[in-house]
Amino acid sequence: GENVEQHPSTLSVQEGDSAVIKCTYSDSASNYFPWYKQELGKGPQLIIDIRSNVGEKKDQRIAVTLNKTAKHFSLHITETQPEDSAVYFCAASSHDMRFGAGTRLTVKP
Amino acid sequence: DTGVSQNPRHKITKRGQNVTFRCDPISEHNRLYWYRQTLGQGPEFLTYFQNEAQLEKSRLLSDRFSAERPKGSFSTLEIQRTEQGDSAMYLCASERGGGYSGANVLTFGAGSRLTVL
Repeated sequence: GENVEQHPSTLSVQEGDSAVIKCTYSDSASNYFPWYKQELGKGPQLIIDIRSNVGEKKDQRIAVTLNKTAKHFSLHITETQPEDSAVYFCAASSHDMRFGAGTRLTVKP
Repeated sequence: DTGVSQNPRHKITKRGQNVTFRCDPISEHNRLYWYRQTLGQGPEFLTYFQNEAQLEKSRLLSDRFSAERPKGSFSTLEIQRTEQGDSAMYLCASERGGGYSGANVLTFGAGSRLTVL
């Protein structure tokens, strides 16, 4: 089955800096790669996703890149703000969705 | 209905007791998923339904766990003879499957946190 690795497990940045989180996956049949943000006491919320026929997608301050050959994808957050502080999960899906272990992002004011 | 609803939000029980969690998905979503999340980890897949049919079960779902979706709408997850290792957040998600735009997009509920003493 699919195995998703996520790095780093924790990330601390200064407000206004960029943050990058990277994931690798194992199943070449995976064709959908979402990123979720989870705040304390809440379920994961989708923030951006990318499908395997696209290499890059951007939505305001967040962007995701996908390298199918290398089986890795990344989340980029620019101009970080304190409210971006949360746990971020990547996931990969073929017929069911598997998640990475998460990255705790802290944005210092 | 604007989201996925889960009840109860928190359940504290003694080891050996049975517990049941309920999930009400987004009404037009025909796929429903259960995940388990422990502290510091990502959600782990347990099982999923397409309408009322349970199509896949993870090896994590021991014989003490059972999930149902009797009418293809809400779902229940029951854990019998709970153990301390069952303490976790149980997340439900729904998806409008079947090739529609937005396929694969899971919408999660807030979760049901289980504490087994």
